[in-house]
Amino acid sequence: GAVVSQHPSWVICKSGTSVKIECRSLDFQATTMFWYRQFPKQSLMLMATSNEGSKATYEQGVEKDKFLINHASLTLSTLTVTSAHPEDSSFYICSARHNEVLELFFGSGTQLSVL
Amino acid sequence: AQSVAQPEDQVNVAEGNPLTVKCTYSVSGNPYLFWYVQYPNRGLQFLLKYITGDNLVKGSYGFEAEFNKSQTSFHLKKPSALVSDSALYFCAVRDKGAGSQGNLIFGKGTKLSVKP
Repeated sequence: GAVVSQHPSWVICKSGTSVKIECRSLDFQATTMFWYRQFPKQSLMLMATSNEGSKATYEQGVEKDKFLINHASLTLSTLTVTSAHPEDSSFYICSARHNEVLELFFGSGTQLSVL
Repeated sequence: AQSVAQPEDQVNVAEGNPLTVKCTYSVSGNPYLFWYVQYPNRGLQFLLKYITGDNLVKGSYGFEAEFNKSQTSFHLKKPSALVSDSALYFCAVRDKGAGSQGNLIFGKGTKLSVKP
């Protein structure tokens, strides 16, 4: 149980376009999901906390208008990178919180490459 | 503020030998500690956690970790390493800050390399 699915696994896009990444909890309801960014050989950097039915909470330094987060249901959160630029190229990972346990469950990540 | 430190960027061991990946923590109150493993271009997989109780915690794939309150450590161990254990390992502590909503704070990660 406690499976989190993240799609797509990788995406290549042109500079200026927008990219949407989906994060789904397959067998549990996740009231809270987290979005991270990871640079090569580095740790995870929390970008924002996504709550079902309310606005996301962004970490300091993360542009709200650049990284749009929507948590429309208890099993789905999306991250949209708007007007992507090469510096947005990174590995993006989502995680979901299951109310009955303390550990987080992670998606498989999305490698974004902006040309 | 909660934090974890992984002092080693990389650990090299020979297959069949015991392995240890180090982690120390700094928290206020009782810590909730976790270990995760990440394979290349993949998300993180949960290995084990310490909440309370026995200091030796057993987890997935034969891994275990020992909680040491006096040394504020939570080292990950395995008696006999496999080549397939080669991956990036993250120690984490649960964020207890206001509004944290259960987020985890991760160490920088330790790359484990197991040679045949």
